[in-house]
Amino acid sequence: NAGVMQNPRHLVRRRGQEARLRCSPMKGHSHVYWYRQLPEEGLKFMVYLQKENIIDESGMPKERFSAEFPKEGPSILRIQQVVRGDSAAYFCASSPIPDSGFSYGYTFGSGTRLTVV
Amino acid sequence: AQKITQTQPGMFVQEKEAVTLDCTYDTSDQSYGLFWYKQPSSGEMIFLIYQGSYDEQNATEGRYSLNFQKARKSANLVISASQLGDSAMYFCAMRGMEEAGYGQNFVFGPGTRLSVLP
Repeated sequence: NAGVMQNPRHLVRRRGQEARLRCSPMKGHSHVYWYRQLPEEGLKFMVYLQKENIIDESGMPKERFSAEFPKEGPSILRIQQVVRGDSAAYFCASSPIPDSGFSYGYTFGSGTRLTVV
Repeated sequence: AQKITQTQPGMFVQEKEAVTLDCTYDTSDQSYGLFWYKQPSSGEMIFLIYQGSYDEQNATEGRYSLNFQKARKSANLVISASQLGDSAMYFCAMRGMEEAGYGQNFVFGPGTRLSVLP
């Protein structure tokens, strides 16, 4: 039973390019959360999605960042025109329907490490 | 708003000894959960232990225990009999039930880097 799968593990992009990060949730999970970890910091919430629906994007930067979770396929976090400050680890987590509430600890994927050069 | 504080950027412990990693939190929620995650140098986030705000007993998972003091809003992680493989970053996190919206996401502290010495 595969866990949360993220790919690629490492991604290098030049400034101005686009970065696409993928997250496949655990089997049976239809809620996906994206977090960003800047160097030497804890994880910061970005966005919470259900299938075909963005529930909470309060942690997403207003520009250049977007996320989707289509009916079929993985969730995608897209960063357009990347800048050096976007270099970070991006983690995805998933939870089932219904979410078990505050007692439920997310299972995180292994993360994608984005380096902007 | 929820906040997690971890005041120890780095800690050292001798192999086979116990170590306590501090975590204090701030929330207005009545019901919440507290979590500890381990992040080794390979980068993945590994769930260690959970404590619910209404749990009367301190949580334990093998060599990990959580020293929960609700009145002080602290949730310290105790690792007994440290092993070299325990060297990693450790993050305290909490998850509450906010009144509005879907605030069921985690708030993480800045982490503590634990180094176990042979």
